[in-house]
Amino acid sequence: SQELEQSPQSLIVQEGKNLTINCTSSKTLYGLYWYKQKYGEGLIFLMMLQKGGEEKSHEKITAKLDEKKQQSSLHITASQPSHAGIYLCGADLTNQAGTALIFGKGTTLSVSS
Amino acid sequence: GAVVSQHPSRVICKSGTSVKIECRSLDFQATTMFWYRQFPKQSLMLMATSNEGSKATYEQGVEKDKFLINHASLTLSTLTVTSAHPEDSSFYICSARARPGSYNEQFFGPGTRLTVL
Repeated sequence: SQELEQSPQSLIVQEGKNLTINCTSSKTLYGLYWYKQKYGEGLIFLMMLQKGGEEKSHEKITAKLDEKKQQSSLHITASQPSHAGIYLCGADLTNQAGTALIFGKGTTLSVSS
Repeated sequence: GAVVSQHPSRVICKSGTSVKIECRSLDFQATTMFWYRQFPKQSLMLMATSNEGSKATYEQGVEKDKFLINHASLTLSTLTVTSAHPEDSSFYICSARARPGSYNEQFFGPGTRLTVL
């Protein structure tokens, strides 16, 4: 089974609308990373969350890690066409140094103008 | 943030040939590098963990004799796809973590698109 579940799998929103993407883990999250990717290209780092209850913002994107550290949400305010792409959450599922991030299946976002 | 490069960015090869992909950390030393594979419209799947100076650790289902990994220095890991077949066509991405004690973010390369004819 998938250790990290992302929802929704895909999303189409009208320009200017808000949206939320969720990432839920079956295990404790020791670090949660959000990335954006355009198909066939590398990952663009957005934010990293480590502490329960932590919230970070960058421009119109806000990410939160819930208190129990098993779920994170990414919220985009007033979406723009430039926000379109694939959003991936990656997680440290152990607190051991040197382990790889495990990724969710991604959320494909389309923004219509 | 730190920079990780990959070379080549795209490669097309004939079935049965071997292809080498390089992953370099440009401004930091990486004791650990990771290789992921991404099929179209799917997420990144971890293939193996590459440790400098020791053998790589492969994920279940990944053939170590087919995907040879060498991490000869603190800034370079290579993935060689041996006797490539069309089903090996994919997007390969490497990433690196800095030395223990420094910022633990995982930095990703830009990826290599492999097409096997």
